[in-house]
Amino acid sequence: GENVEQHPSTLSVQEGDSAVIKCTYSDSASNYFPWYKQELGKRPQLIIDIRSNVGEKKDQRIAVTLNKTAKHFSLHITETQPEDSAVYFCAASNSGFQKLVFGTGTRLLVSP
Amino acid sequence: EAGVAQSPRYKIIEKRQSVAFWCNPISGHATLYWYQQILGQGPKLLIQFQNNGVVDDSQLPKDRFSAERLKGVDSTLKIQPAKLEDSAVYLCASSSQGETQYFGPGTRLLVL
Repeated sequence: GENVEQHPSTLSVQEGDSAVIKCTYSDSASNYFPWYKQELGKRPQLIIDIRSNVGEKKDQRIAVTLNKTAKHFSLHITETQPEDSAVYFCAASNSGFQKLVFGTGTRLLVSP
Repeated sequence: EAGVAQSPRYKIIEKRQSVAFWCNPISGHATLYWYQQILGQGPKLLIQFQNNGVVDDSQLPKDRFSAERLKGVDSTLKIQPAKLEDSAVYLCASSSQGETQYFGPGTRLLVL
């Protein structure tokens, strides 16, 4: 089955810096890659997703890149703000089955 | 649009007791998921329903966990008997025809 690895487990940056979180997946049939943000004690919320027919997607300060050959995808956050502090999870699925397999999470801390 | 609803929000039980969680998905969403999120880890799929049929329950510990989705709308997840290692947040999610899954607030279970 699918296995998703995520790095780093923790990331500390200064406000205004960029943050990059990387994930690798094992199943070459996976074709949908969402990223979720989870604040302490709250539900995971979708922040951006990418499908395998696209190499990059941007939404304001957030971007995701996908390298299907290497089977890895990354989340890029620019001009980080303290409210970006949270745990970020990547996930992968084969849309035919819709089962999401999550990474282990990255705790992002943005210091003012 | 109303989000995914779950109850109760918190539950404390003794080991070997039973417990049940309830989920009401977003109106019109045919697919419903139950995830288990242990502290410090990503969500792990327990069971996936398409309408009232089970699509995937490969990671559901069937000797103690059961779930149903009568009439293809609300769903309940039951644990009987509970073990200490069942302490976790139980997240319900739903999706429409696409892959985007929307999560509920979760039920935080503590087994003593």
